Amino acid sequence: QKEVEQNSGPLSVPEGAIASLNCTYSDRGSQSFFWYRQYSGKSPELIMSIYSNGDKEDGRFTAQLNKASQYVSLLIRDSQPSDSATYLCAVKTRGSARQLTFGSGTQLTVLP
Amino acid sequence: DVKVTQSSRYLVKRTGEKVFLECVQDMDHENMFWYRQDPGLGLRLIYFSYDVKMKEKGDIPEGYSVSREKKERFSLILESASTNQTSMYLCASSSGTSTVYEQYFGPGTRLTVT
Repeated sequence: QKEVEQNSGPLSVPEGAIASLNCTYSDRGSQSFFWYRQYSGKSPELIMSIYSNGDKEDGRFTAQLNKASQYVSLLIRDSQPSDSATYLCAVKTRGSARQLTFGSGTQLTVLP
Repeated sequence: DVKVTQSSRYLVKRTGEKVFLECVQDMDHENMFWYRQDPGLGLRLIYFSYDVKMKEKGDIPEGYSVSREKKERFSLILESASTNQTSMYLCASSSGTSTVYEQYFGPGTRLTVT
C-alpha cells in the first residue's frame, strides 16, 4: 500500500462546477497535509495547508481533513479552465524527519 | 515571498559528463531538497539537507551526490550522467521550525542526457 494515494484521473468537470479531489494516507500519526497545484511543464505550487480536522477555506479552495478516516480532500468551487492542472497531495508522516510524502497527483481538466 | 531559483531551466548533456545543478533560496530556510519527477512515477526524493554540510539520502540517491557549503545553496551533482537520468529536477526548501513543513519549489531543470 502506498503511503499517500490519489486517483490519477483524469478528472473532468464543466466550468463553474465544484471539483473534488481526494487523497488517502496510511500513517495514522500524520499531522500536516498540503495541496500543491502543478501546471504542465511547471513546478508544484503550494496552494493549501491543513493541520486540524475539519474544513479550511481560502477563496475558491476548501481543504477538508478527516484524521479518523485518514483522508484529505480539496474542493475547488466555481472551477475555471485556469484550474486545469495536476493536483498533488503531500503529507508529513510521523516517520519522516523533514520530508513530505507526495501522492502521484490527480489531473484535473475544467471544460469551458 | 519565498523564492527558490535553479541555475538552468533546460540542460542538455552527453552521457558520461559530470553535471552540476544549482539551487538557491532566499528565505534563510534550513532544509533543502532535490527531487526528480518522471511521468507515471511522481516526485521522488533524491537527497535532502537540514543544515550546512549535512545531507541525507532520499529514496533514489544512486548516481547522485550533493553539496551544501552555504545555507542558501544546495547543489546536485550527477557524477557521470546516463540516459536514465533524463528527467525534470526540482529543488525545494522549507523552514527549520519544528511544526512548519511547507516546501517551496524552484522552477525546475529539465535535463536531457544524450
